[in-house]
Amino acid sequence: QSVLTQPPSVSGAPGQRVTISCTGSSSNIGAGYDVHWYQQVPGTAPKLLIYLNNNRPSGVPDRFSASKSATSASLVISGLQAEDEADYFCQSYDISLSGLYVFGTGTKVTVL
Amino acid sequence: QVQLQESGPGLVKPSQTLSLTCTVSGGSISSGSYFWSWIRQPAGKGLEWIGRIYNSGSTSYNPSLKSRVTISVDTSKNQFSLRLSSVTAADTAVYFCARVVARAFDQWGQGALVTVSS
Repeated sequence: QSVLTQPPSVSGAPGQRVTISCTGSSSNIGAGYDVHWYQQVPGTAPKLLIYLNNNRPSGVPDRFSASKSATSASLVISGLQAEDEADYFCQSYDISLSGLYVFGTGTKVTVL
Repeated sequence: QVQLQESGPGLVKPSQTLSLTCTVSGGSISSGSYFWSWIRQPAGKGLEWIGRIYNSGSTSYNPSLKSRVTISVDTSKNQFSLRLSSVTAADTAVYFCARVVARAFDQWGQGALVTVSS
């Protein structure tokens, strides 16, 4: 029951730039709520990658950046590296009956 | 650094109640303005927020699960717990506990696989 829509997959060669979109609605991103991003290597727990739209926790490389607009957000990986191959999820707050915290459908990043 | 660890049975029979506990170490569950949450992920699928609790015991639940979910906190043990009743195969998933800061999940447990099967 993911409320935020992401592309199922993106891919790129090492060193390339990839962008992952996250589309919401007027009850979440469009209502002004912040967007957060998580990286999940298969078999492990998600890791907070970006918080409050465009902030990196300590230890997250600066090749990860993000932005937010009206009802959507984007995560950019500049200079793709092999270790970036993982699933990425966006997340926001929601005021509808979808639940307070809603996640994106997830995007698999493949490094060619 | 705060660490979270889920524990509980890995196998639950249909119609029974799933029970998991999250133990918080490296910090007090009572300190700071944090919510504590449960999130689940069926195999190969996305993340679903289940509910949250504050150290005062105040809770909020996902409407889709609200009739079956209870989250409680035991500050003396630095733990919070999840109970999900009347489970079916659709409740089979990896269950994560997590800390909520600024409406983001900044610390996660490693996850506990719970399978619903007879």
